[in-house]
This record gives sequence, structure tokens and C-alpha cells, in this order.
Amino acid sequence: EVHLLESGGGLVQPGGSLRLSCAASGFTSSNFAMSWVRQAPGKGLEWVSSIGGSGGSTYYADSVKGRFTISRDNSKNMLYLQMNSLRADDTAVYYCAKHGTEDGIVVAGTGYFNYWGQGTLVTVSS
Amino acid sequence: VIWMTQSPSLVSASTGDRVTISCRMSQDINSYVAWYQQKPGKAPQVLIYATSTLQTGVPSRFSGSGSGTDFTLTISRLQSEDFATYYCQQYYIFPWTFGQGTKVEIK
Repeated sequence: EVHLLESGGGLVQPGGSLRLSCAASGFTSSNFAMSWVRQAPGKGLEWVSSIGGSGGSTYYADSVKGRFTISRDNSKNMLYLQMNSLRADDTAVYYCAKHGTEDGIVVAGTGYFNYWGQGTLVTVSS
Repeated sequence: VIWMTQSPSLVSASTGDRVTISCRMSQDINSYVAWYQQKPGKAPQVLIYATSTLQTGVPSRFSGSGSGTDFTLTISRLQSEDFATYYCQQYYIFPWTFGQGTKVEIK
């Protein structure tokens, strides 16, 4: 059974940093691309970043490009999101999500998410 | 950026009703549309991908259709567990984007 568990959220001051982790189980990590999707309080869903199965290709929303870094360690079945220069509008629940296609690549047609973690709340406030 | 217009934003319905949610894209997205259901305090769950493919385990009362720029999620006979918020998503062109959401509430 696929299971995703995020951790690392919390309260951070504007300009600060935070590292989110996502522990994956129940599937071969390297076979699947992974993504982070966030949801501001009371708002809709926003795709944040994706990474290929091997970790060699990464993609970012313009709103986080240059501030966030996605990475993975397939030997540990872990996904990460390093978040720097945090702003108030980064406040959200952050979900890690497994891609539905078993090819490990991130291209058109591969970016739907068939499993999600329970989410971790990041609050950016002074 | 592909702009998405999801409508309506709110549906008031009764169990047994047929519910239709629309998602219109600003350009052709080659059928790469998924639909998600989200209940309060929970993570989204995929219902349909590639416009009309039902995710394993999802009841057959859910169906998807459409092409080009116009896509639809239909719930044929609403059940009590279907009261939730629904999102469409395009995964054809970066940035992948979601619709604004449709809340299905009890009438």
C-alpha cells in the first residue's frame, strides 16, 4: 500500500528557511516522478514543484523559482523541499504527491497525482 | 500559462441528483485533465485522469468527458459521501494548474 508522510512544517519568520520532508513507502521510488502541491488556507490547489524519478530533472512554479529546491533520495525513499526566503504568501498546507504514470519522467501528460500525503502546514509570519 | 475557468463554484444538491461540473481551458490541453475530490481537512484524491479514465476504486457514478478546451465531471447519482469540493487540473503545459474548485453542498 502506498503511503506518503510529510514532516517539517511549522512557523517561520519572513525571510526564513524551512525544509520539508516526505517519506514514501509501498512503491519503487525511482520509477515515479514526485511533486509538491500547496494549498493556502481556505484557497485552492497550487502546483509548486516536480522532480523526475532519478532526480535529474526538476521543475518549479514561477512563484517559488529561485527560492525553493526540490530533491529526492531514492535510497531512503525520501522527497524534500528546501524553502528559502519565505514570504507570507507561502503560508499553506504543503502536500507531497506521487505521479500516476510509472515512467519516472516529468513531461506533458505525466503530471496527475494518484497518491497524496496528509500535508504539513507552513506558516510564515512575524 | 493556461487559464482555467471551473464552474459553478457552488452546487446545492440532494442525494440522488445528477451533478455536472465544467472546466474550460484557455487553450487546447490534449485531454490531459484530471479531477480530484477533497473533503475538509483531508488531502485531495484523484477521481479521473486523462479526461475520462476512472481511477481504480472510484465508483462508476463518477465520469469525465470533453476534449480540446471544455471538460466535464459528472456525478450520476449523488451519494452522501460525495459532498465535497472538486478540482480540475490540466497537466499538459507547465505550470500545471488547477481550477478554482466547486463545492458540492447538501441542499
